Amino acid sequence: DAGITQSPRHKVTETGTPVTLRCHQTENHRYMYWYRQDPGHGLRLIHYSYGVKDTDKGEVSDGYSVSRSKTEDFLLTLESATSSQTSVYFCAISVNYNNEQFFGPGTRLTVL
Amino acid sequence: DQQVKQNSPSLSVQEGRISILNCDYTNSMFDYFLWYKKYPAEGPTFLISISSIKDKNEDGRFTVFLNKSAKHLSLHIVPSQPGDSAVYFCAASRGNGNKLVFGAGTILRVKS
Repeated sequence: DAGITQSPRHKVTETGTPVTLRCHQTENHRYMYWYRQDPGHGLRLIHYSYGVKDTDKGEVSDGYSVSRSKTEDFLLTLESATSSQTSVYFCAISVNYNNEQFFGPGTRLTVL
Repeated sequence: DQQVKQNSPSLSVQEGRISILNCDYTNSMFDYFLWYKKYPAEGPTFLISISSIKDKNEDGRFTVFLNKSAKHLSLHIVPSQPGDSAVYFCAASRGNGNKLVFGAGTILRVKS
């Protein structure tokens, strides 16, 4: 258990509203990631962080922003949610040099 | 353009027999490959990995084979058990960037 929690676990929101998802880890690992999972696409990287205030874009970053002001928290924000952002969002952490990532339980987001 | 492909959306196997899940990749720069298992409503869990300097890695009932010339890897599960029924994702990365590229997943059903 890598000590990863995500909140909320489920959220329903309306198009155009801002949404923030939180990922919290208890182990002070340096690398943290946000992915979305969609049928037919597997998991796709949205943004990642390699330290406090150090973040970079992933494969599908448009419409998303992230912040990491503390080692343990990595926030994903949808500034103005769209229906195409309905998905399951997973946070992950990297614990060692050989790229194994450990995932949180996920957040199911529905944008109406 | 999907760099990591799992061409079989689903696979059904009898309990006790071998399960073989396949994965193809197009980017020759990938040097680390991983398999994850995912149950419904949970995050993916790391299963096994292999570096590009090896062609086989074994962990209990799970063995991953890598064929670099064919850009192909496979996961063998022997013997298959009903608890192995899940979605299996293949993933790849290159260098030390820790950014994983996932395939679309294969649903494995093990019948008892």
